[in-house]
Amino acid sequence: KNQVEQSPQSLIILEGKNCTLQCNYTVSPFSNLRWYKQDTGRGPVSLTIMTFSENTKSNGRYTATLDADTKQSSLHITASQLSDSASYICVVSAGREYGNKLVFGAGTILRVKS
Amino acid sequence: DGGITQSPKYLFRKEGQNVTLSCEQNLNHDAMYWYRQDPGQGLRLIYYSQIVNDFQKGDIAEGYSVSREKKESFPLTVTSAQKNPTAFYLCASSRTSGSLETQYFGPGTRLLVL
Repeated sequence: KNQVEQSPQSLIILEGKNCTLQCNYTVSPFSNLRWYKQDTGRGPVSLTIMTFSENTKSNGRYTATLDADTKQSSLHITASQLSDSASYICVVSAGREYGNKLVFGAGTILRVKS
Repeated sequence: DGGITQSPKYLFRKEGQNVTLSCEQNLNHDAMYWYRQDPGQGLRLIYYSQIVNDFQKGDIAEGYSVSREKKESFPLTVTSAQKNPTAFYLCASSRTSGSLETQYFGPGTRLLVL
């Protein structure tokens, strides 16, 4: 069964600290993996996309990594800010032969405290 | 929100009533999608449309209907057959339905049952 599991479910950190969110997936075949940021009551916004051959991708203070062999990804946030408080969603695409179906994780809720 | 608008922001449904959620995009995108988001779960695909005048069922289409008469518009009707409609509904669009295309999400509509 194609699944995307994220951990932790929620996380509280102090402003200025770093954190790492985890994503494990069983989606096969694999096309690409994205991380989205969703503010409360809003739609998700894409942060990064990585294909099979990419190991890391950065977007400002956000750095995503991908290990396609172990089917794991992480999102590292550096020097956190209050505006980073949001849900972070890992999304895996199953590829063209499966209609480019997207499988969404449940998200990690991050709260940054001052 | 990338040029995608959803209305209303909140919608209340009475038992036995059909309600329609609006989704409009000015991005000239061919593909549009409807997702349902429930607490603690990943987004689930209700319907999608790869091109105007065409649409396909997603994973949870029962109790929902859509139309795609115009490229810019993809309204979703929640029918009385949907027994558990309370959720956050997200509309998205992408340039095409290819796996590397980024989906841009609207701000969402929260549907509540009276």
